[in-house]
Amino acid sequence: SQQGEEDPQALSIQEGENATMNCSYKTSINNLQWYRQNSGRGLVHLILIRSNEREKHSGRLRVTLDTSKKSSSLLITASRAADTASYFCAVLGGGFKTIFGAGTRLFVKA
Amino acid sequence: GAVVSQHPSRVICKSGTSVKIECRSLDFQATTMFWYRQFPKQSLMLMATSNEGSKATYEQGVEKDKFLINHASLTLSTLTVTSAHPEDSSFYICSAGGGKGTDTQYFGPGTRLTVL
Repeated sequence: SQQGEEDPQALSIQEGENATMNCSYKTSINNLQWYRQNSGRGLVHLILIRSNEREKHSGRLRVTLDTSKKSSSLLITASRAADTASYFCAVLGGGFKTIFGAGTRLFVKA
Repeated sequence: GAVVSQHPSRVICKSGTSVKIECRSLDFQATTMFWYRQFPKQSLMLMATSNEGSKATYEQGVEKDKFLINHASLTLSTLTVTSAHPEDSSFYICSAGGGKGTDTQYFGPGTRLTVL
């Protein structure tokens, strides 16, 4: 399969709650990135974490990377209705190809 | 950050016609560009890697005669969907790399293709 696995596939939470999405991949990587996509729109790059990093923060986003388990997580704290979107992890592997996970559809209820 | 544009953003065509989608890196030179397609509520699937001045490399299951890729310059790659059919209707997204850091990809805004 070209894609990694993401869970959950869909997540519905109340505004103000935290949202955690997980991603697993199969190959060795140079870096892992998280993207956001609103329905029918292009990708918005959220954060990049390199293979030698374990944790990274950007505003309300926190990303962790465990290369021994080939997994990453994205935490969105204090979620807002505007955070409603699909979130994808993507890994940069050999040949500089970016391979996307299946994605998590997040719905934040106001 | 680097900017990648796509044209057109949306296209509707009749079955059997060919459609060309352009991907441009606006402020950097991209030795490599990638083409993805995305069906509704699904993830992005890599179709092919476009290398400037050489033939594209297609992923398994992607018909190279159906999806023609030309990377004629360091700032432009084109994807032509030949003899389009309704099942080719999809969201096509390109990305460009090899510019500001080889491990960073910059994505275009996507092209929505609808084949009637």
